[in-house]
Amino acid sequence: QVQLQESGPGLVKPSQTLSLTCTVSGGSINSGDYYWSWIRQHPGKGLEWIGYIHYSVNTNYNPSLKSRLSISVDTSKNHFSLKLSSVTAADTAVYYCASSWELPPGFDYWGQGTLVTVSS
Amino acid sequence: QSVLTQPPSASGTPGQRVTISCSGSSSNIGTNFVYWYQQLPGTAPKLLIYRNNQRPSGVPDRFSGSKSGTSASLAISGLRSEDESVYFCASWDDSLSGPVFGGGTKLTVL
Repeated sequence: QVQLQESGPGLVKPSQTLSLTCTVSGGSINSGDYYWSWIRQHPGKGLEWIGYIHYSVNTNYNPSLKSRLSISVDTSKNHFSLKLSSVTAADTAVYYCASSWELPPGFDYWGQGTLVTVSS
Repeated sequence: QSVLTQPPSASGTPGQRVTISCSGSSSNIGTNFVYWYQQLPGTAPKLLIYRNNQRPSGVPDRFSGSKSGTSASLAISGLRSEDESVYFCASWDDSLSGPVFGGGTKLTVL
């Protein structure tokens, strides 16, 4: 059973970079044809896809975030990471990592989510 | 403003059948699969339906999905109190080149 776990600071100052890591257990991040995604949910709102990485090198980002976004994989640590630069209060949200066995949005495994607040 | 449109709320009584709609366009639902998620308060979404009408292992057959044109529906039969949750639809969008979600429907079991 694959499990995902997000980790990273819960508070980030405006204009700084938000950095989160998703650790994969119960399976290898290198195995199969999985897509590894980040999704966020603003307080009391719907879901917003942030981006994904596939085969460790192929990335696809939401155009609205692309200029500030980077997603990468560290196969030695079996985790993938999110970096979102120049954050503002509008980036305050619960951030989820998720995996999909086919082209998203069929997300079969999710992390528990981590709240990131952007505030000085 | 979500790309896919869902009613903000729905309700039903125990044992009843309820449906939740999801409306999109030719660039998403019209040409791609639809997925449905259930999100209980304070938890991550859980996949209920994939590829329009397929259920992952462990999802009761009380849950069913359908698609017609640029719209889709989630039906829940034999409604139970534990079905009270928020339900999201999702699809791939060819214009965005990425997945899009509905705004979510809060289902209340009266």
